[in-house]
Amino acid sequence: KNEVEQSPQNLTAQEGEFITINCSYSVGISALHWLQQHPGGGIVSLFMLSSGKKKHGRLIATINIQEKHSSLHITASHPRDSAVYICAVQRTGSYQLTFGKGTKLSVIP
Amino acid sequence: DAGITQSPRHKVTETGTPVTLRCHQTENHRYMYWYRQDPGHGLRLIHYSYGVKDTDKGEVSDGYSVSRSKTEDFLLTLESATSSQTSVYFCAISRTGGMNTEAFFGQGTRLTVV
Repeated sequence: KNEVEQSPQNLTAQEGEFITINCSYSVGISALHWLQQHPGGGIVSLFMLSSGKKKHGRLIATINIQEKHSSLHITASHPRDSAVYICAVQRTGSYQLTFGKGTKLSVIP
Repeated sequence: DAGITQSPRHKVTETGTPVTLRCHQTENHRYMYWYRQDPGHGLRLIHYSYGVKDTDKGEVSDGYSVSRSKTEDFLLTLESATSSQTSVYFCAISRTGGMNTEAFFGQGTRLTVV
């Protein structure tokens, strides 16, 4: 079983919809990262969380440490949000990040 | 882009040849990482460096070596390229160890081994 599971794997939404991407993990962590990767492009860090909630523009990330779960929300989705969203966790006491397989989001006009 | 440049961006090479990928940063960050990204897998760590001449293996290090002779450059070498090393390679940097700060990634290098 993967240590980091994302759902859904693929998501298609209409422009303007509210989107939620989920990340569950099975290990103790010190931080969780949400990353964005556009087709053919590099990887951009969106958030790093160790507790609570963070907001940047239309993006909101939450984490529940007790339940080992994080969500990434996109409000008023737009076609430019189409990308792969990747969850990554840093295990407690480790230098390494463990990545989920990503969620491919397509937002249709 | 946090001052990370990967080169080359694309490369096609033949099986059995050595290949070196370069990651260059202008941020003077101490920690640098090489990952590979393959369909059906998340990003996987190949090697990382925590300072000049200080490197360690990641989970998929077989067939790869690294060197860091200067803070700004981290080189990944495929000693004898195989088709299984066809992948997209990403370099990443972070200011502190364990990436408990924001992570910055390069644009990736698409390597095809034929």
